[in-house]
Amino acid sequence: DTGVSQDPRHKITKRGQNVTFRCDPISEHNRLYWYRQTLGQGPEFLTYFQNEAQLEKSRLLSDRFSAERPKGSFSTLEIQRTEQGDSAMYLCASSRTREETQYFGPGTRLLVL
Amino acid sequence: GDSVTQMEGPVTLSEEAFLTINCTYTATGYPSLFWYVQYPGEGLQLLLKATKADDKGSNKGFEATYRKETTSFHLEKGSVQVSDSAVYFCALIYDSWGKLQFGAGTQVVVTP
Repeated sequence: DTGVSQDPRHKITKRGQNVTFRCDPISEHNRLYWYRQTLGQGPEFLTYFQNEAQLEKSRLLSDRFSAERPKGSFSTLEIQRTEQGDSAMYLCASSRTREETQYFGPGTRLLVL
Repeated sequence: GDSVTQMEGPVTLSEEAFLTINCTYTATGYPSLFWYVQYPGEGLQLLLKATKADDKGSNKGFEATYRKETTSFHLEKGSVQVSDSAVYFCALIYDSWGKLQFGAGTQVVVTP
């Protein structure tokens, strides 16, 4: 396993700009999760894919957020018209089944100025 | 809804001391329980897990037992090292999709 990778690792942007993050899961994992972690808190669920299908979205995911997983491989998370409150660490995780371990990527730290 | 509560940090210990981090949960069913660890500058890593009542998870000298009667999953280590300094998260899977619900995390600082 090469592990879950995320790109970029850090992103600084100005309020109102759009940003896109990428996650590459472990190759045989068909489940992919996005979480958001703010300072001093545990990660919070954002959205979940099984293969290419987005099966659930948290109410934390406003209309400005969109996620895709074309062909059930890598995933992207886009935030449009960023706000300062979007500043956080965005984490991606993948697993083969519900019961198996979710492996996390290193995260993308977003700072909105 | 389902939730996880863990003790606040930071917890500061001397090397070779005994570590306990309390974790309790509320859940409608019988969730799988996890401890994840986040070392400085690194991503979340699974430390141990337990999937049913009375199961004991263990790894790297850490242990936690799934206690259904007290809805707890306390993390323990008998003799900590400086390298154990990290933030520890208790978590549970609370639905059929496998989504994780995390506690707020407990920072542990081990001094020489």
